[in-house]
Amino acid sequence: DQQVKQNSPSLSVQEGRISILNCDYTNSMFDYFLWYKKYPAEGPTFLISISSIKDKNEDGRFTVFLNKSAKHLSLHIVPSQPGDSAVYFCAASERGGADGLTFGKGTHLIIQP
Amino acid sequence: KAGVTQTPRYLIKTRGQQVTLSCSPISGHRSVSWYQQTPGQGLQFLFEYFSETQRNKGNFPGRFSGRQFSNSRSEMNVSTLELGDSALYLCASSLRPGGPVDTQYFGPGTRLTVL
Repeated sequence: DQQVKQNSPSLSVQEGRISILNCDYTNSMFDYFLWYKKYPAEGPTFLISISSIKDKNEDGRFTVFLNKSAKHLSLHIVPSQPGDSAVYFCAASERGGADGLTFGKGTHLIIQP
Repeated sequence: KAGVTQTPRYLIKTRGQQVTLSCSPISGHRSVSWYQQTPGQGLQFLFEYFSETQRNKGNFPGRFSGRQFSNSRSEMNVSTLELGDSALYLCASSLRPGGPVDTQYFGPGTRLTVL
């Protein structure tokens, strides 16, 4: 039973446009959500996070939106750059920290020139 | 500051064998978590160690085990390997359990192939 779902295995976006990656979750006990970026042959790197008490968090080109009633979050990247091409993982935690994160299966973002 | 290191980076084993993977956390980090990444299941939590004690365990069979040493280095062991154990095994370290999530850092992983 996937508690964190990323329904789009891949997404192709033109350079300079907005990339929107989506994530749905089923466990209402999750109270902290994160996005990780992963390049081939490297471990995931933390990108941005959001606590369940907020509905938006912004860091430079990256913004995460949380809709608790819909159990949905999204990552917006504006503008998209070639270096953004990577696999993006959505993750969630029940304890507001890094214990035993539950990850989605990832979305492969491809930025086209 | 050196990052999380994992050895070996690549490993090929045959069914029925056992394997031990090693993880050295960032200096000063005392919590180590292990994850399995496969194309079909994504990233799945295996277990977490802190102060040589297993704090949390994911939903994996008993063939998967781990331990942590007094210097915070951690090993995970998989016995009686099955084809489905082929995956990228990732280790992540953080200062302490339940700490700020952006202080958790992942290593590059060990790619295990079971033939």
